[in-house]
Amino acid sequence: SYVLTQPPSVSVAPGQTAMITCGGDNIGSKSVHWYQLKPGQAPVLVVYDDSDRPSGIPERFSGSNSGNTATLTISRVEAGDEADYFCQVWDTHSNHWVFGGGTKLTVL
Amino acid sequence: QVQLQQWGAGLLKASETLSLTCAVYGGSFSGYYWSWIRQPPGKGLESIGDINHRGSTNYNPSLESRVTISLDMSKNQFSLNLSSVTAADTGVYYCARYPDSGYYYGMDVWGQGTTVAVSS
Repeated sequence: SYVLTQPPSVSVAPGQTAMITCGGDNIGSKSVHWYQLKPGQAPVLVVYDDSDRPSGIPERFSGSNSGNTATLTISRVEAGDEADYFCQVWDTHSNHWVFGGGTKLTVL
Repeated sequence: QVQLQQWGAGLLKASETLSLTCAVYGGSFSGYYWSWIRQPPGKGLESIGDINHRGSTNYNPSLESRVTISLDMSKNQFSLNLSSVTAADTGVYYCARYPDSGYYYGMDVWGQGTTVAVSS
């Protein structure tokens, strides 16, 4: 099964930029999606297809994907961005969705 | 605005079958895959499987032998059955959807989540 690797945690001060990585073998050839998950709430799609934003998601959220690493970038971080973030791709070999282990974003 | 509302038994004993249902409000089944995802306590998200309006399914190979996902188009609902549960099946279960046109779109609508606990 395809494996996605995320750092367990990232910390950033308010107003700064947070970068959350998602590593996978030749992940640049896949379409990567990112979700925000806050306690007691359903996941929210914040970036799809590497770098597109769903309606209603602030422009502060952006994504990139190349080689073996996809990155979610959150600019001008706010306290409300504190959450767990998960990357996701479709595993074409086993025909199911694979998620990264998640990264806890802490706003200092 | 499409909404998903899910329900099911929240407390099970080991070896029982987990059954959850997700109702689709404000939209139709056509054009989407309808998914189940779970999150064990303190762990990440895990895909369980999904089904489209034609009844085509995809299952996580690690769960495939115990999983059945079905849909009832007359009620605009889809369901998850997970047999022979153990404590490892404890967690929050979500339903969600994604377009069946490809894997270039994520899961844009999610249910509220159902907490399931399995006791031995």
